[in-house]
Amino acid sequence: AQRVTQPEKLLSVFKGAPVELKCNYSYSGSPELFWYVQYSRQRLQLLLRHISRESIKGFTADLNKGETSFHLKKPFAQEEDSAMYYCALSTQGGSEKLVFGKGTKLTVNP
Amino acid sequence: DTAVSQTPKYLVTQMGNDKSIKCEQNLGHDTMYWYKQDSKKFLKIMFSYNNKELIINETVPNRFSPKSPDKAHLNLHINSLELGDSAVYFCASSQESLLAKNIQYFGAGTRLSVL
Repeated sequence: AQRVTQPEKLLSVFKGAPVELKCNYSYSGSPELFWYVQYSRQRLQLLLRHISRESIKGFTADLNKGETSFHLKKPFAQEEDSAMYYCALSTQGGSEKLVFGKGTKLTVNP
Repeated sequence: DTAVSQTPKYLVTQMGNDKSIKCEQNLGHDTMYWYKQDSKKFLKIMFSYNNKELIINETVPNRFSPKSPDKAHLNLHINSLELGDSAVYFCASSQESLLAKNIQYFGAGTRLSVL
């Protein structure tokens, strides 16, 4: 069965500090991983996906198949990064769907 | 010029009532979804339609019936509402292409409160 685990429900850092939001997955196939973000009073939107291998808003995430992880990192957090972050796994073949983790609420304090 | 729009934004109703939530996307996407987000912010897929055809049905009670009149619309009808149905319901859509597969665009959500 597919599963996405985000161990931290809440994460609080100070502005300028590094931030890492953890995500681990369980999937027998070839995974496709995403990070979605929901800012306050805004809709859920894609932040980045592993196949793009890009940095968005200073965030990066590397897929580590050995550790089955896809942690989201930013070297210097900004107050506007405060939001709810969801890690998601896309299943392959047949009816593709996204399986979401339970989310991590990031608060960046001034 | 909203890409995925849901109505209503808020819905307060009594137990036992029947209600509908509507979703429309103007992105030309092939696939639409309904998700439920519970009070703990856990987001779980309920249904997925591709070109008006049901492709995912995730063990949702049959009081919930999705209807897709065309590929731009996916409505959710709920019969005999229960207290546990209180949640935020999100509609989403995606395009079936190798590059864009599973990049989902979400609506703003409908907050359903069952009293």
